[in-house]
Amino acid sequence: DTEVTQTPKHLVMGMTNKKSLKCEQHMGHRAMYWYKQKAKKPPELMFVYSYEKLSINESVPSRFSPECPNSSLLNLHLHALQPEDSALYLCASTRDSSRQPQHFGDGTRLSIL
Amino acid sequence: GENVGLHLPTLSVQEGDNSIINCAYSNSASDYFIWYKQESGKGPQFIIDIRSNMDKRQGQRVTVLLNKTVKHLSLQIAATQPGDSAVYFCAEGNEKLTFGTGTRLTIIP
Repeated sequence: DTEVTQTPKHLVMGMTNKKSLKCEQHMGHRAMYWYKQKAKKPPELMFVYSYEKLSINESVPSRFSPECPNSSLLNLHLHALQPEDSALYLCASTRDSSRQPQHFGDGTRLSIL
Repeated sequence: GENVGLHLPTLSVQEGDNSIINCAYSNSASDYFIWYKQESGKGPQFIIDIRSNMDKRQGQRVTVLLNKTVKHLSLQIAATQPGDSAVYFCAEGNEKLTFGTGTRLTIIP
C-alpha cells in the first residue's frame, strides 16, 4: 500500500463539470507535487508546493487549479477540461526538497467526455 | 529545452540473468538522479537515487552508475525475478525532476 493516498481512483466528467482530485500524506512531508501522465509516457510535472506555498507552476492551463490547505493535503480543482486532459494524475511528496525520493500515490485516472 | 531519454524502449531478460537499463540526459546542471519502477495501475515506486558527487551506488540487487562525462545513467538489476517486470523511468534534475521516456522490462521465465 502506498503512503500517499489519492481519491478518487477513477473519475469521468464532462467538459462543463467542476470536480476536485485529492491527495493526502501523513509522513510529515512538506513538499508535494502534481504530475500528469498520459498512456505509455513519463510523468510530467504540473505543480510543486513547498511548505504549503506554490513554488513551481509548469505553465499549466488555468482550468487546473491547485490548492494546499495544509501540510498533509493537496487538491487539484478541475473546471472546463478538454478531452486531451484525460490522463492519470499522480500526486507525490518529499520530506522538503525535490532532491529526495518522491513518494507517489497510485493516481486518479481521469476521463473527459 | 533539456530532456532525458532512454536508449531502448523495451528489454527482455531471462529470469535469473542481470538486467541493465540505460538513460541519457542532457542537462549538465542536474545534480540529482533517480530510478523509478512503475507497474501497471500503480504510481512510480522509488528504486535508488544518486547525487552528482558520486559515480556508483548500490542497493539490494540494484546498482546505479552515473557517468557525468557522457551524461549517462544506468540501472543494473541482479538476478532478475518475474516481479521485476515493469516500466522503469530515470529522472534527473535539481529544483525539479524531469523523467525519461521509460523502458519496459519483461522477464522471461
